[in-house]
Amino acid sequence: GQNIDQPTEMTATEGAIVQINCTYQTSGFNGLFWYQQHAGEAPTFLSYNVLDGLEEKGRFSSFLSRSKGYSYLLLKELQMKDSASYLCAVMDSNYQLIWGAGTKLIIKP
Amino acid sequence: GAVVSQHPSWVICKSGTSVKIECRSLDFQATTMFWYRQFPKQSLMLMATSNEGSKATYEQGVEKDKFLINHASLTLSTLTVTSAHPEDSSFYICSARDQEREGTYEQYFGPGTRLTVT
Repeated sequence: GQNIDQPTEMTATEGAIVQINCTYQTSGFNGLFWYQQHAGEAPTFLSYNVLDGLEEKGRFSSFLSRSKGYSYLLLKELQMKDSASYLCAVMDSNYQLIWGAGTKLIIKP
Repeated sequence: GAVVSQHPSWVICKSGTSVKIECRSLDFQATTMFWYRQFPKQSLMLMATSNEGSKATYEQGVEKDKFLINHASLTLSTLTVTSAHPEDSSFYICSARDQEREGTYEQYFGPGTRLTVT
């Protein structure tokens, strides 16, 4: 079966760095997405990785290792507004998005 | 750019009635739109994939006669929840792919519709 695993909840301090991991097992791979979702709102796109390596975009970076079925989202200089759920999603061989359950990130002052 | 709207943003209806939710791509054309539902503290669950001018493809376990999807134009898809019951209460989210950027497979999400059936 297809499976996406990510921690349910993480807590970090304002100004610090946090890494949210995602491991996956899917039938085929056509890229991995990270989305941010604030409570009661729709997801917003953060990153897309299809090749191995690190993609940096401002305070957010995303890493992918296809051989390990592993990705992480790195958030630097955390701000209170970064409190949200972070969803990992993998596009399988049918170009269908398989979603993880999301990681709720709590930022403390 | 790449804005998707949904209407209504929230709706309360009585059990047994039908509710229509609209999803529009405002500044791009979308040959493919997706309908998701999300229960509290759970991830997105894909209900169906909607292609302009053809029948929607429903995911396993989703009743196509209960959740009617129409994708009549390149900018509009509708989801109608027929004979709604309290268990249909959920957050319904649509997303769309930009026809001009199909190769990126990025989905642009609408703001969601919160449906409460009493």
